[in-house]
Parts: sequence; structure tokens; C-alpha cells
Amino acid sequence: AQSVAQPEDQVNVAEGNPLTVKCTYSVSGNPYLFWYVQYPNRGLQFLLKYITGDNLVKGSYGFEAEFNKSQTSFHLKKPSALVSDSALYFCAVRAPYGGSQGNLIFGKGTKLSVKP
Amino acid sequence: EAQVTQNPRYLITVTGKKLTVTCSQNMNHEYMSWYRQDPGLGLRQIYYSMNVEVTDKGDVPEGYKVSRKEKRNFPLILESPSPNQTSLYFCASRGPPNYGYTFGSGTRLTVV
Repeated sequence: AQSVAQPEDQVNVAEGNPLTVKCTYSVSGNPYLFWYVQYPNRGLQFLLKYITGDNLVKGSYGFEAEFNKSQTSFHLKKPSALVSDSALYFCAVRAPYGGSQGNLIFGKGTKLSVKP
Repeated sequence: EAQVTQNPRYLITVTGKKLTVTCSQNMNHEYMSWYRQDPGLGLRQIYYSMNVEVTDKGDVPEGYKVSRKEKRNFPLILESPSPNQTSLYFCASRGPPNYGYTFGSGTRLTVV
């Protein structure tokens, strides 16, 4: 069965410091991996995805994520955090085929707090 | 503008009073889905639809119904809402399988 784990409920960083939000996954076959961000009182917005190709994926707002197949991880990173990055971040995985193909399985979310 | 539109944004209702949350997308997507978001639990899938007249249960379908009579609309129906259905609900649609979802703005439902 597919699953996604975000081991940290909350990540606190100082503005200007690098940030990492962790995600590990379990899926049969080659995964499709996604990161979404949810700002307060808003819907989820797509940040980036990994389907195939280069393990380092660049996305919106200066975020990037690194796919590591051996560690089954897809950590979200940003070199220099902004206060405006404070939000709830969701990692999601989808198997490329199967009976419920196309269904995204989401992690429980990680709250990112960036302090000035 | 490509979007998924949910209505209403906020709804307070009483136990047992049937309600419908509407969802519409203008991207001609075949795939649509409903999720509920609860603190500490993340997003859990309620129902999804691969195409018109094709729907299937997600992880938490109990107490919900859906229909897909036309491609653009995918309403979520609560026949007899209960307080444990108080939650934040999201509708989403998707194009080809390697694309991400487009989410609606959410419906915050409170059942008293």
C-alpha cells in the first residue's frame, strides 16, 4: 500500500536560514511525488513534482526538492527562508498505475514557522 | 482562469439535515476527487471519479455520497450529517496522470 510520512509536525527556522521539510514514502514501482503548500484559510497550492529525470526538482517560490530513491525520500528545501514561507506543507505520492491510479496519498502535513 | 470552484465556503448546519457541497471545474478534467482535512490527520480521500458516471470510494467514504452526471461537476452529498463530519473539505481535479491536482478553496463545514 502507498503511504507518505512527514516525521515533523512543525519546523521552526529563522529568516534567512536554509530550511528542510522532510518526507519519506512507500509505493510500488516508480513514484510520482508532489509537494503542496497551504497558507492560512486557503486551498492547497502546487509547489513542485517529481515524475522522472533529474533528482533535484525546482519549483515555485524558490523551493526545491531532492528525490532519493535509495532512502525513499523527497525532502523539500529552500536555501534562504522568508517569513512569508510560513505555512502548512504537504507531501504526496501516487503510484503510476494500479486500481486506484491517479489518487494522491498525502502526508499529515508539516507546519513551517519562519521567525524574523 | 483555470480553477476549481467550491460552494459554499462556510456552512453551519444541524445534525441530520441533508446538505450538498458543490464542486465545478473548467479545465475539462476527467478525474475529480473529494478530500477532508482534519488536524493531525492531513488530507484523507472521501470519493473520487475517473470520469462521468464513474465514481469510487476513497479512504473515508462513510456518511458521504457523490455523483458525476457531467464532467465539470462533482457534488458531495451528506444525507444525514453528524458532528464527526465537521471538517474542512476540498475538491480537486486533475488532467493527465503525471499532473498535479488543482484544488478548490475549501468548504469549512460545522455540524452541530
